[in-house]
Amino acid sequence: AQSVTQLGSHVSVSEGALVLLRCNYSSSVPPYLFWYVQYPNQGLQLLLKYTSAATLVKGINGFEAEFKKSETSFHLTKPSAHMSDAAEYFCAVSQASNQFYFGTGTSLTVIP
Amino acid sequence: GAGVSQTPSNKVTEKGKYVELRCDPISGHTALYWYRQSLGQGPEFLIYFQGTGAADDSGLPNDRFFAVRPEGSVSTLKIQRTERGDSAVYLCASSLNPGATDTQYFGPGTRLTVL
Repeated sequence: AQSVTQLGSHVSVSEGALVLLRCNYSSSVPPYLFWYVQYPNQGLQLLLKYTSAATLVKGINGFEAEFKKSETSFHLTKPSAHMSDAAEYFCAVSQASNQFYFGTGTSLTVIP
Repeated sequence: GAGVSQTPSNKVTEKGKYVELRCDPISGHTALYWYRQSLGQGPEFLIYFQGTGAADDSGLPNDRFFAVRPEGSVSTLKIQRTERGDSAVYLCASSLNPGATDTQYFGPGTRLTVL
């Protein structure tokens, strides 16, 4: 069975500060991992994905995430938050079955 | 190009009624997914199509839910005898190829409210 846990349903950071959104997964086999962002009234958009190549994955809008097998984690980071980063972020895991399992999401607020 | 579109954007119905939700995927995408997102939750997998056939429908909660994709493009999610617990945002996504690593492109969703 697979599952995803996102610690912190709400995260607030100051503009220009580091963004860190946490994601831990459980999977019986090596997973594929994804981060999606959802802006208000828009569909989910892929930020980045890990598919068993490089463990440090760079995505759009300056975000990156590192796959750490020993910690079963795939935390999302961005060195400097921008006001436009305010959104809901979802971590997801999949395997060869094509079923995707999403976490409950983290709402990011950026304080000016 | 055009993204994934879903109609209607909002649907209000009464308990016991039948509803249909439509998804238009990106042209040429062979895989199509339906998810349900309840308030405060992440998307929950319902069903996945590869072409015209449902490759995996294990996420459908019960036999009141059914989905079709007759020509391998547009898909319709059908819910019979709606219940208040069916209220949620129903999301559709498509991907070029049916692979676990393929990027899924999501539509804006249909918000279903069952009174």
